[in-house]
Amino acid sequence: DTGVSQDPRHKITKRGQNVTFRCDPISEHNRLYWYRQTLGQGPEFLTYFQNEAQLEKSRLLSDRFSAERPKGSFSTLEIQRTEQGDSAMYLCASSPGGDRAPNFGPGTRLTVT
Amino acid sequence: GENVEQHPSTLSVQEGDSAVIKCTYSDSASNYFPWYKQELGKGPQLIIDIRSNVGEKKDQRIAVTLNKTAKHFSLHITETQPEDSAVYFCAAREAAGNKLTFGGGTRVLVKP
Repeated sequence: DTGVSQDPRHKITKRGQNVTFRCDPISEHNRLYWYRQTLGQGPEFLTYFQNEAQLEKSRLLSDRFSAERPKGSFSTLEIQRTEQGDSAMYLCASSPGGDRAPNFGPGTRLTVT
Repeated sequence: GENVEQHPSTLSVQEGDSAVIKCTYSDSASNYFPWYKQELGKGPQLIIDIRSNVGEKKDQRIAVTLNKTAKHFSLHITETQPEDSAVYFCAAREAAGNKLTFGGGTRVLVKP
């Protein structure tokens, strides 16, 4: 069990640029989640996959955000036309079937200048 | 949707003392309540969880209690140590859903 990994760990971009983050879940975990965490706050749910199917999306996920999980393995989160308000820590988590709590990765810290 | 409130936002205790963090939730349909510990620069790590059919659960120095009627749950850390210093988050999950709704966090500082 190598844990959930995320890449990159840090990303600085200029407003208006597109960014893409990658998440590799724990192997054989069929559920994958994306959360966003701003400074001093708890994580906020963005979206959830079961295998390759995206089953739930938060209203926080505007049309500038898109997430994919091809083949039910790794996932990517893309933000188009970044805004300063997108600056946050983007956390990925995975869990096996059933009602187990998700395991979180270390996060990708995005700074939009 | 679910709303989780967490108190206090900061907590300073002397090493060896106990720490208590309290959370309330709004959706009576929520049935699963995990607690996470987040250290600087790291993602949240699960430390203990409780399901709605259980009133209390203990794991060494950590215990969690749940009052379904009042819709609140608490984390108790006994014999605190400096390595317990971190931000702690409570969360709640609805019975029919998969997402966790988190509280705002409690920054715990254990003074040696």
